[in-house]
Amino acid sequence: EAGVAQSPRYKIIEKRQSVAFWCNPISGHATLYWYQQILGQGPKLLIQFQNNGVVDDSQLPKDRFSAERLKGVDSTLKIQPAKLEDSAVYLCASSLVTGAGSIQYFGAGTRLSVL
Amino acid sequence: AQKVTQAQTEISVVEKEDVTLDCVYETRDTTYYLFWYKQPPSGELVFLIRRNSFDEQNEISGRYSWNFQKSTSSFNFTITASQVVDSAVYFCALSSQGGKLIFGQGTELSVKP
Repeated sequence: EAGVAQSPRYKIIEKRQSVAFWCNPISGHATLYWYQQILGQGPKLLIQFQNNGVVDDSQLPKDRFSAERLKGVDSTLKIQPAKLEDSAVYLCASSLVTGAGSIQYFGAGTRLSVL
Repeated sequence: AQKVTQAQTEISVVEKEDVTLDCVYETRDTTYYLFWYKQPPSGELVFLIRRNSFDEQNEISGRYSWNFQKSTSSFNFTITASQVVDSAVYFCALSSQGGKLIFGQGTELSVKP
């Protein structure tokens, strides 16, 4: 079974530029998550989708971050404009179901450096 | 508020030593789940174990074992006879409503030959 696919693996941009990350979850997984992991810290949830609807985006900086999952399968996370503090690894995860206790499977992440 | 604390930032051991990674959590929910994930240098978080708040039985899987104690709000992870391949960052996480994972800061384990 294929795992969670993310691209690109690495991205270097200058501040104020825009960037987009792509994620394809495990086939059949209804729930998709985007996490931000700053160096030396644990991942922090940015947004959670169930199918193509948003379940939780309370920690998404909506003035610059946006995400969509239009057909309920793959998803795109965008940052526009980027700031220096956005340098982090962006991890995508998926789970079969939504709710406490659902096991999340993670992709390898996209490492973003903002100069 | 929910919180997970992993007080050990880095641990270094020699191969074949036993090592315990500590995890303390805070939640007001009566139903919750605890997880451990491993993050090797490749970056992908690998699921290791899930426990629910009603099951305090310890669990052993090969060289790995987990000790869940609600009385002290702890969910510690022990690796017996550590190996170089165990070197990674280990995260403890808490989940209750909605499924969002609340992660600790992580413990970087270095196993030297």
